[in-house]
Amino acid sequence: GDSVTQMEGPVTLSEEAFLTINCTYTATGYPSLFWYVQYPGEGLQLLLKATKADDKGSNKGFEATYRKETTSFHLEKGSVQVSDSAVYFCASRGDAGNMLTFGGGTRLMVKP
Amino acid sequence: EAQVTQNPRYLITVTGKKLTVTCSQNMNHEYMSWYRQDPGLGLRQIYYSMNVEVTDKGDVPEGYKVSRKEKRNFPLILESPSPNQTSLYFCASSPSGGVQRHGTQYFGPGTRLLVL
Repeated sequence: GDSVTQMEGPVTLSEEAFLTINCTYTATGYPSLFWYVQYPGEGLQLLLKATKADDKGSNKGFEATYRKETTSFHLEKGSVQVSDSAVYFCASRGDAGNMLTFGGGTRLMVKP
Repeated sequence: EAQVTQNPRYLITVTGKKLTVTCSQNMNHEYMSWYRQDPGLGLRQIYYSMNVEVTDKGDVPEGYKVSRKEKRNFPLILESPSPNQTSLYFCASSPSGGVQRHGTQYFGPGTRLLVL
């Protein structure tokens, strides 16, 4: 079945540092890919998505590019802020079916 | 305000005592689903529903039941809870076509369950 693998956290950065959270997937066909963010005490919120190869999703300064050749969808941000501290989940949705498959989540902690 | 609500937010119970976690959405969404979140495992889907009276198993349905008698409500039922069902539970909804069409889901705030 489909699976999503993320780098384990926590990732601890200083404010204004560059962020990369790695995500790779295995899926049949051509999945759509997503990043969700979970702030403390809240449910998940969609951060960005990409539905086909080479698409770049972006939102709030975060970006991720759908790389089919490396089956990856790494999340990046050029300059993180304390308010970006959260847990980030990578997810995929396959061609068939109606389910999202989530990675294990990566906790980001940004220090002032 | 468009939202997904869950009740209760926190629950401590004992093994074998039936419980229900309610989920309600006010966005007229057809698709609803339940997930459990466990450390290192991310979110795993328990059940989902494409519409009223239509439910399907997710990845980890054992020990759970759901029903979808109305569009807005999708309760999660644990007939005989066990300690391995201690987890954080999220309900989510999505517009017509569900995940297959939209991919995005709107999540509730979560219900933290402890089974002793």
